[in-house]
Amino acid sequence: GNSVTQMEGPVTLSEEAFLTINCTYTATGYPSLFWYVQYPGEGLQLLLKATKADDKGSNKGFEATYRKETTSFHLEKGSVQVSDSAVYFCALMGGGSNYKLTFGKGTLLTVNP
Amino acid sequence: DAGVIQSPRHEVTEMGQEVTLRCKPISGHNSLFWYRQTMMRGLELLIYFNNNVPIDDSGMPEDRFSAKMPNASFSTLKIQPSEPRDSAVYFCASSPVGQGLEKLFFGSGTQLSVL
Repeated sequence: GNSVTQMEGPVTLSEEAFLTINCTYTATGYPSLFWYVQYPGEGLQLLLKATKADDKGSNKGFEATYRKETTSFHLEKGSVQVSDSAVYFCALMGGGSNYKLTFGKGTLLTVNP
Repeated sequence: DAGVIQSPRHEVTEMGQEVTLRCKPISGHNSLFWYRQTMMRGLELLIYFNNNVPIDDSGMPEDRFSAKMPNASFSTLKIQPSEPRDSAVYFCASSPVGQGLEKLFFGSGTQLSVL
């Protein structure tokens, strides 16, 4: 079946530091890949997505590239801000389903001023 | 738009009691999902409705769990009887027509504690 593995947190960075959160996946076929973000006290919201190999998703300074050869979709940001503090979830949709998202367990990011 | 609205935000109950969680999806969204989030298992899909009809309830843990969607603007998730292992955050999410079911709009969740 489908699965998503992402680096365990928590991750603590200083403002303006470089961020990488690793994500790898297992799926049949050609899944679509996503990053969702959950700010404190809120529900998850879609951050970015990529639907085929070598696609790069980007939003709010965050980027992730769909790497089929390494089955990875790592999240990066060049300069984090305090307001980026949140839990980040990697997810996939595919493997025969067009509605079921499979999520990683989430990575807590804390950015200090 | 008010977003997906869930109630209550927090629920504390005793083992054996009935618990009902409520969700109002965003107006015009025809797909609704219930997810459960725990530290051990992460986010799990419990049930998916399309046009008020349950399409996939394979994630519902057991017969103690039931979900209904009587109309396009309201859904409930009921646990009867509740057990301590049901303690989790329960999220409702909805998705708009024609924008891909991967674009989910989540509510803020209900934190359930069963003592």
